[in-house]
Amino acid sequence: DSGVTQTPKHLITATGQRVTLRCSPRSGDLSVYWYQQSLDQGLQFLIQYYNGEERAKGNILERFSAQQFPDLHSELNLSSLELGDSALYFCASSVEAGLIYNEQFFGPGTRLTVL
Amino acid sequence: ILNVEQSPQSLHVQEGDSTNFTCSFPSSNFYALHWYRWETAKSPEALFVMTLNGDEKKKGRISATLNTKEGYSYLYIKGSQPEDSATYLCASDEKLTFGTGTRLTIIP
Repeated sequence: DSGVTQTPKHLITATGQRVTLRCSPRSGDLSVYWYQQSLDQGLQFLIQYYNGEERAKGNILERFSAQQFPDLHSELNLSSLELGDSALYFCASSVEAGLIYNEQFFGPGTRLTVL
Repeated sequence: ILNVEQSPQSLHVQEGDSTNFTCSFPSSNFYALHWYRWETAKSPEALFVMTLNGDEKKKGRISATLNTKEGYSYLYIKGSQPEDSATYLCASDEKLTFGTGTRLTIIP
C-alpha cells in the first residue's frame, strides 16, 4: 500500500458525459501527478500539481482538467467523454516538486469505461 | 533514439537464473531515468531514480546501471524468484515518457 488513495475504483459512463476522479496523496506529499494507461498505449503523464499550483503538463487533452485543493487532494475532470477515453487512470504523489527527479508513489488507479 | 524504448518486450526466466533487460532513451538533454515494477492488478512501484552517468543502484537482488552518453540503462535481477514476475517500466525525458515495459515471467 503506497498511501495514495483514489476513488472510485471503477467508473462506467456513456459517451458525452463528464466524470471526476479523486486522489489523495500520501501524508506529507505536496505533488500530485495524473497518468493515463490505455490498452494500446503505455503509461502517459497527463499533468502535475504542486502545492495547489499546476507544475507540469504532459499529453492532456483540452477536454480534461485537474486541480489540487488546499488539503492537497486532487481531482481530474474528464468531459465530453469518448470511447477512446476508456483507460486506467493513475494518480501518484511525491514530496518534492520536480517531475523528473522524484520517486513517485502510485495509487491503485481508477478504471474508466466509456460505453 | 527519439523515444524511450525497452527490450525485450517479454521474457521468461527459470527460477534461480539471473536476467537483465534494457531501456534506451534519448541521450541529448538527459534529466533522469526512472525504473518501476508493475505487478498485475497492482500499481507501479518505484525501484530507482538515476541521474548521473555511470550511476549504479541496488535494491536487494535488483540493480541498475546508467549510461547517459549512449542513452541506455540496464536492469539486472539476480537469482530470479516467482515474486519478481511483473512488468518493468522505465521512464525518461522532460515529460517523463514511459517505455512500454518488459514483461518478466519467472518459471518455477
